[in-house]
Amino acid sequence: GENVEQHPSTLSVQEGDSAVIKCTYSDSASNYFPWYKQELGKGPQLIIDIRSNVGEKKDQRIAVTLNKTAKHFSLHITETQPEDSAVYFCAAKNTGFQKLVFGTGTRLLVSP
Amino acid sequence: DTEVTQTPKHLVMGMTNKKSLKCEQHMGHRAMYWYKQKAKKPPELMFVYSYEKLSINESVPSRFSPECPNSSLLNLHLHALQPEDSALYLCASSQEATGGYEQYFGPGTRLTVT
Repeated sequence: GENVEQHPSTLSVQEGDSAVIKCTYSDSASNYFPWYKQELGKGPQLIIDIRSNVGEKKDQRIAVTLNKTAKHFSLHITETQPEDSAVYFCAAKNTGFQKLVFGTGTRLLVSP
Repeated sequence: DTEVTQTPKHLVMGMTNKKSLKCEQHMGHRAMYWYKQKAKKPPELMFVYSYEKLSINESVPSRFSPECPNSSLLNLHLHALQPEDSALYLCASSQEATGGYEQYFGPGTRLTVT
């Protein structure tokens, strides 16, 4: 089955800096890659996703890149703000199936 | 309305108790999910319901019993739980179970088994 590795496990940045979180997946049939943000006491919330027919997607300060050959995808947050502090999970899915597999999570701390 | 609601928010139960967790969505989604999340870990899939039928059971112990009374409701019945079952239980829904559809998560029920 699919296995998703995520690095780093913790990331501390200063407000205004950029943050990058990287994931690697094992199943080449996976074709949908969402990123979720989980704040304390809340359920995960989708912040951006990318499909295998696209190499990059951007939404304001957030961007995701996908390298299908290397089976890597990354989340880029620019101009970080304290409210970006949360746990971020990458995930991978073969859209022909029902299971979404999560990475191990990255705790992002943005200091003012 | 893009909200998934879960009740109760917190639950403390003994190992001999029977309790139920409830989840509700009114987005017209046909797929609903139960996840278990331990501290500092990712959500771990337990069950998937598609069109009100159980389609995935991730080898969950029988002391957890899911139920989908209708397309908007999802229950998780708990019986004879163990302390290691203490966790955050998350419900989610999506338009369909297959495909690349966003999963909307509820806030979870924090379960403590004493």
